[in-house]
Amino acid sequence: DSGVTQTPKHLITATGQRVTLRCSPRSGDLSVYWYQQSLDQGLQFLIQYYNGEERAKGNILERFSAQQFPDLHSELNLSSLELGDSALYFCASSVGSNWETYGYTFGSGTRLTVV
Amino acid sequence: DQQVKQNSPSLSVQEGRISILNCDYTNSMFDYFLWYKKYPAEGPTFLISISSIKDKNEDGRFTVFLNKSAKHLSLHIVPSQPGDSAVYFCAASARDDYKLSFGAGTTVTVRA
Repeated sequence: DSGVTQTPKHLITATGQRVTLRCSPRSGDLSVYWYQQSLDQGLQFLIQYYNGEERAKGNILERFSAQQFPDLHSELNLSSLELGDSALYFCASSVGSNWETYGYTFGSGTRLTVV
Repeated sequence: DQQVKQNSPSLSVQEGRISILNCDYTNSMFDYFLWYKKYPAEGPTFLISISSIKDKNEDGRFTVFLNKSAKHLSLHIVPSQPGDSAVYFCAASARDDYKLSFGAGTTVTVRA
C-alpha cells in the first residue's frame, strides 16, 4: 500500500456521462497530481494541486476539471465522456510543491471504460 | 509531443542475465531522470534516479547510465530475477518544473 488511495478502482460508464474520480494523498503530502495513461502510451500529466491551489496544468481537456479540498483529497471530474477517454487515471502525491528527489508516490489508479 | 521515448515496448530476458532498457529524450532542459516500475493493478513505484551532473548511478542490481550528448539513458538490471517482470517507465523533469514527463513504458519478462 503506497498510502495514496484512489477510488473507485474500476468504472464503466456510457458516452456523454459525467464521472468523478477521487484521490486521497499520502499522509503529510500537500501536492496531488493527476495523470492519464491511455492504451500503449505513457502517463500524460493533467493537473497539479498544491495545498488546495491549482499549481500547474498539462494537456487537460476543457471537459475535465479537478479540485483539492481542505482535507487535501482531490477529485477529478470528467464530463461529456467520449470513447477516447477510456484510460487509466493515476493520482500521485508529494510532500512539497514540486516532485521530490524520489519522485511521486502513485496510487493504484482508476480504470475508466467508456462504452 | 512525446518528449520521452521508450522505443522498445517489450523485452524478454533469461533469469540471471542482464536486462537493458533504453530511453531517449528530446528536451535539452531536462536535468533529472527517474525510472519507475509498475506491476499489474498497481501504481508505478520509484526505482532509481539520476541527476544530469552524473553519468551513472547504481543501487544494488540496478544501474542507470546517462549520456547527455546523445540525450539517452539506460537502465541495467543485473542479474535479472523473475520478480523484475513488470513495466518500466522512464521519466524526466526540468529544473523547477512541476511535472514529470513519462515514456510509454517497456514490458520486461524474465524467463526462468
